[in-house]
Amino acid sequence: LAKTTQPISMDSYEGQEVNITCSHNNIATNDYITWYQQFPSQGPRFIIQGYKTKVTNEVASLFIPADRKSSTLSLPRVSLSDTAVYYCLVGANTDKLIFGTGTRLQVFP
Amino acid sequence: DTAVSQTPKYLVTQMGNDKSIKCEQNLGHDTMYWYKQDSKKFLKIMFSYNNKELIINETVPNRFSPKSPDKAHLNLHINSLELGDSAVYFCASSQEGQGMLGEKLFFGSGTQLSVL
Repeated sequence: LAKTTQPISMDSYEGQEVNITCSHNNIATNDYITWYQQFPSQGPRFIIQGYKTKVTNEVASLFIPADRKSSTLSLPRVSLSDTAVYYCLVGANTDKLIFGTGTRLQVFP
Repeated sequence: DTAVSQTPKYLVTQMGNDKSIKCEQNLGHDTMYWYKQDSKKFLKIMFSYNNKELIINETVPNRFSPKSPDKAHLNLHINSLELGDSAVYFCASSQEGQGMLGEKLFFGSGTQLSVL
């Protein structure tokens, strides 16, 4: 199973772009990269998923280089409500997904 | 309508008691899960049920028993509760992927279990 490494915490200010990078050196050919967001007292919520290159949705963008050994979640113009823990997961089957410690993002006014 | 709902939201009980947490999903998904999040916020999978069959059990003590009456429900029964069982328990569901498609997990809002 591919292990992921991401920063424990990050700070930002409202209106800034936040980039959270995740390392997954042992990613397998069939593995997808998925990011989840968790607010206090809530379950994780799916944000975005990708296999290669770039994926964008209404919430975030996901950049994946050609070697797929890392990925970057980009949150444009964050607000206070983006304060949460962000998890990077790598896997091909949902029952094999492992949640690491995540990155705690704190957005300040 | 809540996609994945679990009850109760909070559960406070004494050591040695037996308790259950209920989970229901209205997404029509084939697979349901139980996760445990401890005080350090590590989120670990406990069980996975696919069409009412247990497909993984990640070294969870046998005091924990998942029960799935149908594919929309997955309840978690815990016998002889211990202090170390205190945590937040999350139910989740997913639809089986096809081919190379990745899957998404949909989580409930969690049950805060406190064992005194």
